[in-house]
Amino acid sequence: SQTIHQWPATLVQPVGSPLSLECTVEGTSNPNLYWYRQAAGRGLQLLFYSVGIGQISSEVPQNLSASRPQDRQFILSSKKLLLSDSGFYLCAWSPPLQETQYFGPGTRLLVL
Amino acid sequence: SQQGEEDPQALSIQEGENATMNCSYKTSINNLQWYRQNSGRGLVHLILIRSNEREKHSGRLRVTLDTSKKSSSLLITASRAADTASYFCATGGFKTIFGAGTRLFVKA
Repeated sequence: SQTIHQWPATLVQPVGSPLSLECTVEGTSNPNLYWYRQAAGRGLQLLFYSVGIGQISSEVPQNLSASRPQDRQFILSSKKLLLSDSGFYLCAWSPPLQETQYFGPGTRLLVL
Repeated sequence: SQQGEEDPQALSIQEGENATMNCSYKTSINNLQWYRQNSGRGLVHLILIRSNEREKHSGRLRVTLDTSKKSSSLLITASRAADTASYFCATGGFKTIFGAGTRLFVKA
């Protein structure tokens, strides 16, 4: 069966520090991968999605970037965090050509 | 603005009652999905209804879709305390757009 992992679960970082959040999927090949951010009590904002290795589409201009170095690995990065980057970050995957998404447990990021 | 907007924003009911949540969207769709999120957790897919379907059932869940009104509803029958969660509708393919969600609280 397929599983999705995200880490870390919680992260507290100072303003201006770098960020690296990792997401990996097991048990499937060539998944579509997604990064979302969720503000407290709000819906999800799509940040990036990827349909293959090295193929990244950005939905929101900001100081975040994403990379997909391997088929089932998706990384969210920042060179310098802002206070406004605080939030709940969710990684998700979907099978090729399907729209149902399966979410990881999320990473809660607090930038101080 | 959000493609999907849920209504109400929050709902509090007694165990055993039915809970109805509504979703409105703005553009044409191929399908609409409903997800559930327990506090501090990832989302879990509940049900997908295609644009040519009017109603779909899954256990205690009933989803309707009215493409002429660009709206959908999620009905949870005989609610349980464990149904307490946030419920989101979502539209779109790769560029899935989620609404702000309805927070459901079921009192035991």
